Amino acid sequence: DAGITQSPRHKVTETGTPVTLRCHQTENHRYMYWYRQDPGHGLRLIHYSYGVKDTDKGEVSDGYSVSRSKTEDFLLTLESATSSQTSVYFCAISFKDSPVAPGELFFGEGSRLTVL
Amino acid sequence: AQSVAQPEDQVNVAEGNPLTVKCTYSVSGNPYLFWYVQYPNRGLQFLLKYITGDNLVKGSYGFEAEFNKSQTSFHLKKPSALVSDSALYFCAVRDPGGGADGLTFGKGTHLIIQP
Repeated sequence: DAGITQSPRHKVTETGTPVTLRCHQTENHRYMYWYRQDPGHGLRLIHYSYGVKDTDKGEVSDGYSVSRSKTEDFLLTLESATSSQTSVYFCAISFKDSPVAPGELFFGEGSRLTVL
Repeated sequence: AQSVAQPEDQVNVAEGNPLTVKCTYSVSGNPYLFWYVQYPNRGLQFLLKYITGDNLVKGSYGFEAEFNKSQTSFHLKKPSALVSDSALYFCAVRDPGGGADGLTFGKGTHLIIQP
């Protein structure tokens, strides 16, 4: 158990509304990631964090922002949700806290977001 | 840029037969390679990884994978399939010089084991 909790697990919202997804970890790991999973696309990296207040963009960052004000929480925000952001969102952490370590990622259970 | 290709959307295998799920990769340096499995409505679970050393890597649930540098492949294998192996499988790659920006995943392969 990697101690990752995502909330909410399911959310339905309307186009144009803001949405925040939360990822909480209990093991004080430095590196955290947000991915989205879509059929035919696999998992694509949205944003990642390498420490408190240290974040960077991934492959599909447009329309998303993140914040990390404390080690245990990594928030993903959709400022104005669109139907194209309907997806399953996964948070992940890396157990090997080194930027060049080959550590695998450990994933949360996912947050299913539907934008109507 | 690094990338992963899983050429088969779906693989069907009879229970008890050997299975192979294919993966090829592209990365600038020596790759770190991973396989994950996903059951319905769950997160991804780590199966195995190749970092260096022996080209045949053994992992969880009886799975293994063979790293082939000349063919830039990392195929997942199991000698005898179980119905419970039915799931979605992802191959992933990391460029060890790529910093903290996670893994790059393939699009996934649905493995269906028929009784």
